Amino acid sequence: SQQGEEDPQALSIQEGENATMNCSYKTSINNLQWYRQNSGRGLVHLILIRSNEREKHSGRLRVTLDTSKKSSSLLITASRAADTASYFCATDPPTLRHGSSNTGKLIFGQGTTLQVKP
Amino acid sequence: DTAVSQTPKYLVTQMGNDKSIKCEQNLGHDTMYWYKQDSKKFLKIMFSYNNKELIINETVPNRFSPKSPDKAHLNLHINSLELGDSAVYFCASSQVPEGNQPQHFGDGTRLSIL
Repeated sequence: SQQGEEDPQALSIQEGENATMNCSYKTSINNLQWYRQNSGRGLVHLILIRSNEREKHSGRLRVTLDTSKKSSSLLITASRAADTASYFCATDPPTLRHGSSNTGKLIFGQGTTLQVKP
Repeated sequence: DTAVSQTPKYLVTQMGNDKSIKCEQNLGHDTMYWYKQDSKKFLKIMFSYNNKELIINETVPNRFSPKSPDKAHLNLHINSLELGDSAVYFCASSQVPEGNQPQHFGDGTRLSIL
């Protein structure tokens, strides 16, 4: 079954407003990553937060992680039209290994489609 | 310079045909991946190779066969294409096969089966 689920599925805001997207997951994790996907393009890595971290910032992005609730949120402040994209969380469950090494397998949610109106 | 490049960008073909998608990364990464994204944007891992060794093989039909001639290339060959294979296929790479590494994605190959 799918590991991550984003909420809301779609979000439409005005330029300058803040956008908050949430991600819930089902099993324990080592790390959680957020990616952006522009229409017709591949995913672009935004930020990674480790399971022992609670909050992380990168420019206008703020990510929180609550492992007790198995959830994460991505906040984009002062949004711009160029932020229009789909946003995905991806989790790294600790149990997936191949021999003596990890596999790098990420499990993605279905994404939140963000539209920022100019 | 494109870091992860896939060809072709679009692939339209008949049911039953065999086709290949190529992927190359110039980042010097050891690990490469193939993902399938369906019409609802759900992205699922198919295969992963680390230094030419297969390390992830999800429940994917045998009609899908990845090949890694060297660690900079990971190609995907699909036999006897079916309607359900229509999707966007993404290649990605990471420095090592660890979940704390960001993955770098190509722009996808849009496969349409007629």
